[in-house]
Amino acid sequence: DTGVTQSPTHLIKTRGQQVTLRCSPISGHKSVSWYQQVLGQGPQFIFQYYEKEERGRGNFPDRFSARQFPNYSSELNVNALLLGDSALYLCASSLVAGETQYFGPGTRLLVL
Amino acid sequence: AQSVAQPEDQVNVAEGNPLTVKCTYSVSGNPYLFWYVQYPNRGLQFLLKYITGDNLVKGSYGFEAEFNKSQTSFHLKKPSALVSDSALYFCAVRGLTGGFKTIFGAGTRLFVKA
Repeated sequence: DTGVTQSPTHLIKTRGQQVTLRCSPISGHKSVSWYQQVLGQGPQFIFQYYEKEERGRGNFPDRFSARQFPNYSSELNVNALLLGDSALYLCASSLVAGETQYFGPGTRLLVL
Repeated sequence: AQSVAQPEDQVNVAEGNPLTVKCTYSVSGNPYLFWYVQYPNRGLQFLLKYITGDNLVKGSYGFEAEFNKSQTSFHLKKPSALVSDSALYFCAVRGLTGGFKTIFGAGTRLFVKA
């Protein structure tokens, strides 16, 4: 089985720009979560989606938004990028919300 | 509020010796507890979880973890460490209330010396 896939793998943006990150869950998984991992820290929860509805939101500003599509893939959007948004963005999928999450390789975002 | 603490930034152990990576948690109600491992430039890999049942949970690659409700701990253990176990280990907790938010610890770097 194909695991969780994320695209792109790396991304360089400048302050003020907008970025869209994409995630495809493991086949059959209906829940997708997004995390931000800053160097030297643990992953910080951003969003969880289940059956195309937002089921959880972390302490991130409104510049961060996400959605889940009918095929259960997901996009994370970040507007008005700041230098502090530079991080590894991880997507995780699970069969249902709250169960074991399986992580993708991440998208490394650098904001200059 | 949920929280996870991994009190050691780094754990050093000789190959063949037992290893322990510590984790304590705070959550309302009964917790879901997880351990993940992260290798350089990779995503997180699931090792094991505790939901209910036996306090000793067995997982991948010979790892196990012991749930202690009175001490609110979930320490990761392995009887005999391998050099290939060297990586970054994360403990995570999810409560049964307040949505599906999973909180990760800051991570513990395990270094196994040959």
